Amino acid sequence: DQQVKQNSPSLSVQEGRISILNCDYTNSMFDYFLWYKKYPAEGPTFLISISSIKDKNEDGRFTVFLNKSAKHLSLHIVPSQPGDSAVYFCAASGADKLIFGTGTRLQVFP
Amino acid sequence: NAGVTQTPKFRILKIGQSMTLQCTQDMNHNYMYWYRQDPGMGLKLIYYSVGAGITDKGEVPNGYNVSRSTTEDFPLRLELAAPSQTSVYFCASSYPIGTGNTEAFFGQGTRLTVV
Repeated sequence: DQQVKQNSPSLSVQEGRISILNCDYTNSMFDYFLWYKKYPAEGPTFLISISSIKDKNEDGRFTVFLNKSAKHLSLHIVPSQPGDSAVYFCAASGADKLIFGTGTRLQVFP
Repeated sequence: NAGVTQTPKFRILKIGQSMTLQCTQDMNHNYMYWYRQDPGMGLKLIYYSVGAGITDKGEVPNGYNVSRSTTEDFPLRLELAAPSQTSVYFCASSYPIGTGNTEAFFGQGTRLTVV
């Protein structure tokens, strides 16, 4: 029973273009959503978050959009850079739990 | 700044052995979490704790036990290791998410192999 799903295991984007990573969730108890970035052999690091009372949050090149009615969020990276190549996890928080998705491997090529 | 520290970084266990994965944080966070990441898979929540003396099951608690006697420490115990527990284990800590504190901090992980 996967409560947080990232249906695209991988994404390849050219440097300078937009990267869009998607995430769906099933549980209405979630009230806060986060994106994490993970490099090999390291722990995940926080990227950006959004409260369920908002529909957009922006931080530099990173923007997260939340569509509560569709239970869907997305992370936009503009412009994409080679250093953005990593695995990206979305996570949802509610009732004291922090549940992660399966991850999307982003590769940004020159 | 130490943050979240996990020990050991690597361990090989034989089937049926037991071990404790250590996790300590120095940020005075109430909440602590244990996750496992299997190859090509996401992070699955094993156990979590909202404060000293309080623990609860996550998505995949079977085969594991935890305790939280102090705010700083949240050890994860494997009693009878099985090959299915071969994974990378991550510990994390946070204040309650969404109360103005927006992130959980992760340790570097413990890579466990059960043979």
